[in-house]
Amino acid sequence: EAGVVQSPRYKIIEKKQPVAFWCNPISGHNTLYWYRQNLGQGPELLIRYENEEAVDDSQLPKDRFSAERLKGVDSTLKIQPAELGDSAVYLCASSPIAGGANVLTFGAGSRLTVL
Amino acid sequence: AQSVTQLGSHVSVSEGALVLLRCNYSSSVPPYLFWYVQYPNQGLQLLLKYTTGATLVKGINGFEAEFKKSETSFHLTKPSAHMSDAAEYFCAVSENTGRRALTFGSGTRLQVQP
Repeated sequence: EAGVVQSPRYKIIEKKQPVAFWCNPISGHNTLYWYRQNLGQGPELLIRYENEEAVDDSQLPKDRFSAERLKGVDSTLKIQPAELGDSAVYLCASSPIAGGANVLTFGAGSRLTVL
Repeated sequence: AQSVTQLGSHVSVSEGALVLLRCNYSSSVPPYLFWYVQYPNQGLQLLLKYTTGATLVKGINGFEAEFKKSETSFHLTKPSAHMSDAAEYFCAVSENTGRRALTFGSGTRLQVQP
């Protein structure tokens, strides 16, 4: 079974440029998460989807970040324009359903460097 | 609200020595608790989890953790460290009511000296 697939693995951009990350979750997993992991820190939730619906986006900086999950399968996370402080690893995870004891399966992450 | 505190951002042990990584949580309702491991340039992998029942939980690679409600702790242990255990370890909490996502601690980097 394929795991959570993310691309690109690495991205280097100049500040003020746009960037997009793509995630394909495990087949059949209804819940998809985007986390941001700053250097030396634990992951912090940006947004959680249940099927197509964004049910928790309270930590998403909506002035520059956007996300979508069309058809309730794969998802994209966009930053426009990027700032220096956006340099981080962006992790996608999925689980069969949300919350409780459900185990999240993580992708390898997309490492963003903003110069 | 839920939160996790991991004491010690770096822990160094000798190969064969006991590994102890500390985690304390805060949760307004009974928690579900997790330990994840992250190897360089990889995503997080589940080591073990506590949901209900037995408070001593065994995971992969010889790791175990004990849920102590009175101490609000979920420390991770392994009797004998191996070089391959060198990685970053994250404790996480989820509430067993509602549908919140996992909240992670800041992580502990484990070094294993030969």
